[in-house]
Amino acid sequence: DGGITQSPKYLFRKEGQNVTLSCEQNLNHDAMYWYRQDPGQGLRLIYYSQIVNDFQKGDIAEGYSVSREKKESFPLTVTSAQKNPTAFYLCASSHDRGRSSYNSPLHFGNGTRLTVT
Amino acid sequence: GQQLNQSPQSMFIQEGEDVSMNCTSSSIFNTWLWYKQDPGEGPVLLIALYKAGELTSNGRLTAQFGITRKDSFLNISASIPSDVGIYFCAGRTASKLTFGTGTRLQVTL
Repeated sequence: DGGITQSPKYLFRKEGQNVTLSCEQNLNHDAMYWYRQDPGQGLRLIYYSQIVNDFQKGDIAEGYSVSREKKESFPLTVTSAQKNPTAFYLCASSHDRGRSSYNSPLHFGNGTRLTVT
Repeated sequence: GQQLNQSPQSMFIQEGEDVSMNCTSSSIFNTWLWYKQDPGEGPVLLIALYKAGELTSNGRLTAQFGITRKDSFLNISASIPSDVGIYFCAGRTASKLTFGTGTRLQVTL
């Protein structure tokens, strides 16, 4: 089955520690995204990548970092600089390939709920 | 940045009733997407709309891409308990995807 796998489902960390969230897709999608979801709010874009070894900041990139060394993988690191890291994190991918494919819908993983105390 | 106003924020309906929700924006979009999210899960794509005026159905769901390209609505007919969840609209331009704040749907028997 093709899909997007996020792990772990739940993650607990102490304040001041960096933590990395995993996202893997076997859909052969070019583009991958990280969103943050807070209660009662829509999804906010953290980072996105349209091709291997390239990524762009989204609307709320401060305190986060990403890498895209492989097409299938787009890990997100929540650093200690992120002031309010407790949230539900969603990874997504789409079949975008260049500006002509911007209509491709996003497909989401099942999320990682991060709690920092 | 672009803003999407999604309404209503929440609604309680009885099983069997029809439901309607919509999204409006001051910006033009090339694509409208509707997603449903169950608690603790990722959003699942319901319907994608690619052309102004387009009306698309997926089972009991019908969505339309507004003629002005600034709005979209989603209708659910004959609701059932498993329709419970949060419904998100999303508008896409060449550069980004913007999500609405969601409509929380609760269905009572």
